[in-house]
Amino acid sequence: QKEVEQDPGPLSVPEGAIVSLNCTYSNSAFQYFMWYRQYSRKGPELLMYTYSSGNKEDGRFTAQVDKSSKYISLFIRDSQPSDSATYLCAIYNTNAGKSTFGDGTTLTVKP
Amino acid sequence: GAVVSQHPSWVICKSGTSVKIECRSLDFQATTMFWYRQFPKQSLMLMATSNEGSKATYEQGVEKDKFLINHASLTLSTLTVTSAHPEDSSFYICSAEIGIGQQETQYFGPGTRLLVL
Repeated sequence: QKEVEQDPGPLSVPEGAIVSLNCTYSNSAFQYFMWYRQYSRKGPELLMYTYSSGNKEDGRFTAQVDKSSKYISLFIRDSQPSDSATYLCAIYNTNAGKSTFGDGTTLTVKP
Repeated sequence: GAVVSQHPSWVICKSGTSVKIECRSLDFQATTMFWYRQFPKQSLMLMATSNEGSKATYEQGVEKDKFLINHASLTLSTLTVTSAHPEDSSFYICSAEIGIGQQETQYFGPGTRLLVL
């Protein structure tokens, strides 16, 4: 079993839709939670990070963490074609000093 | 935000040659940098953790004699793929760790696409 599970999709939605991207994890030592966006043939770009359960909002993006369920989500409101990319969740283990990445979910937002 | 650069952005080489990839943190100092490899439509695979002034820590299954890492300064880490073979063709991405308060995050470079003929 992978330490971080992420549905690879692909996910296709119409412009303006609300997108929900999810990951589950198994290691309770994971403490910091990040979401990255990766466009084709580019390096990942940090979107959001958080370390506590609850919601964190940044513009159209909301990151949600539920440590009791070991479940993290990224919501994108009013999705745009420019949001089309692969979204990677990542969880940082302070004990190990490194992050574990999900496999990424490929999102296409159709105009 | 923090900026990490990589050079070259792409490289084509003949089988048996060595290729050096540079990773630089442009506006911050990075004690720790990471090297990843990514195959098409797959996630990032951590190859090694590079610490300034000390030997890199390699992940299981990664040959340290084939993938040489040198972290000579707080802003530069290099990855050298020695005696490259076609199966080494991949997208190599570095990242640099930055502490933000108590939160450790890493910023990624744009990646280097390597094609070994």
